[in-house]
Amino acid sequence: GENVEQHPSTLSVQEGDSAVIKCTYSDSASNYFPWYKQELGKRPQLIIDIRSNVGEKKDQRIAVTLNKTAKHFSLHITETQPEDSAVYFCAASLWQDSSYKLIFGSGTRLLVRP
Amino acid sequence: NAGVTQTPKFQVLKTGQSMTLQCAQDMNHEYMSWYRQDPGMGLRLIHYSVGAGITDQGEVPNGYNVSRSTTEDFPLRLLSAAPSQTSVYFCASRPLLEGEQFFGPGTRLTVL
Repeated sequence: GENVEQHPSTLSVQEGDSAVIKCTYSDSASNYFPWYKQELGKRPQLIIDIRSNVGEKKDQRIAVTLNKTAKHFSLHITETQPEDSAVYFCAASLWQDSSYKLIFGSGTRLLVRP
Repeated sequence: NAGVTQTPKFQVLKTGQSMTLQCAQDMNHEYMSWYRQDPGMGLRLIHYSVGAGITDQGEVPNGYNVSRSTTEDFPLRLLSAAPSQTSVYFCASRPLLEGEQFFGPGTRLTVL
C-alpha cells in the first residue's frame, strides 16, 4: 500500500522568510496530492492540491511542486506570516479497483517567529 | 450546509466499554472515512466507504467496526475500548471521483 514520509517534523522561520516542506510517496500509481493545514484544536483544512499531470501549482503565497519520477512533492510558503503557524500535512491518493485511499504524512509543525 | 458533523466532541471510557462515534454529512458525498490522530503520527486511516452498503479497511482497522446504511451517516464503533485507542478521531467526506475532502470537527476520546 501507499506510504507517505514528510520532513521536517518541525520548522521554525522568521516572519517574511520562506518555508519548504517535503514529502515522498511509495506508490507510483498515486495521482492526487493535497496539502492540509491544521491550526491548534481545529480540523485539517485543504490549502492546495496538485494532480499527477501537473508539475507545479501556485495560489498567492503558497505553491506545490511535484516530481513524479522521484516520487516527491513539496509545499512552498513565501513571505511567511505569524498566522501561517500551524501543522501542515501532505497526503497522497489513488483510485484503484473501485477503492480510494488518502494516506497522510506525519505532519510538520511550522512556527513563524514575529 | 452543516458540512461534516461529529458527536460527541469529548468522551471518556473505561477499558472494555463499547461506544459509537457518530458522523454525518449533508453534502451528498459518496466517500466517507475515519482517521485517528496521535501526536507525531499524523492522520491514520481506520476505515472508509465508497457508498452506502460498502466499507473497507484502512491502515489501522483493528478494534474498530463501521457500517454505511445511508449516504449521510458513517458511525465508528469501538467494541471493547483499550487505552491504545486514546486519540482524536476525525471523520471526513468527499465526492467519489474528484473534489476536496472535508473533515469533521473531531472527537477527543480518552480510554482509562
